[in-house]
Amino acid sequence: AQSVTQPDIHITVSEGASLELRCNYSYGATPYLFWYVQSPGQGLQLLLKYFSGDTLVQGIKGFEAEFKRSQSSFNLRKPSVHWSDAAEYFCAVGGLLSGGGADGLTFGKGTHLIIQP
Amino acid sequence: ETGVTQSPTHLIKTRGQQVTLRCSSQSGHNTVSWYQQALGQGPQFIFQYYREEENGRGNFPPRFSGLQFPNYSSELNVNALELDDSALYLCASSLAAGRDEKLFFGSGTQLSVL
Repeated sequence: AQSVTQPDIHITVSEGASLELRCNYSYGATPYLFWYVQSPGQGLQLLLKYFSGDTLVQGIKGFEAEFKRSQSSFNLRKPSVHWSDAAEYFCAVGGLLSGGGADGLTFGKGTHLIIQP
Repeated sequence: ETGVTQSPTHLIKTRGQQVTLRCSSQSGHNTVSWYQQALGQGPQFIFQYYREEENGRGNFPPRFSGLQFPNYSSELNVNALELDDSALYLCASSLAAGRDEKLFFGSGTQLSVL
């Protein structure tokens, strides 16, 4: 069965500092990987996705993620965080028919990002 | 703003009751997926509807059912509510059911079962 592990429940980063959120996945076939962000009282917004090709993926809001098949990881990074980046971040994995397809996405439990002034 | 609207935003029900949650998809989208997000957890896939038919289902019992209408709006129905059904229910629409399709999420309905 597919699964996603986000080892860090909370992360605190100073404004302007760099950020890396960890994500490890388990999937029996070629995974399709996603990072979503959720602000309080809001739905989820897609930051970036990886389907194939270049393993370094650029997303919105200055985020990027790197797919490492050998480590089953898809870590999210940002070189310099802003106070508005404070939110809940979810990593998700899907299969051939996913991207929200018939199999749905499997999400991790999320990492709560706190930005210190 | 994603163009996906859900109603109501909050709802309180009693154990054993039935509930209907509604979702209006983004214009032009023919696929809708429903997710349950318990407190402190990531969303869990309930099911997906594509062109008015159930197209896939997660590990949820039959008392969770849905409908998609010709205008592609959707309903999630839950019968015989249990305390563990308390959660944020998210609706997501997309242009099609394929893997390349981007999901657009609504802000959700917060359901509390007492």
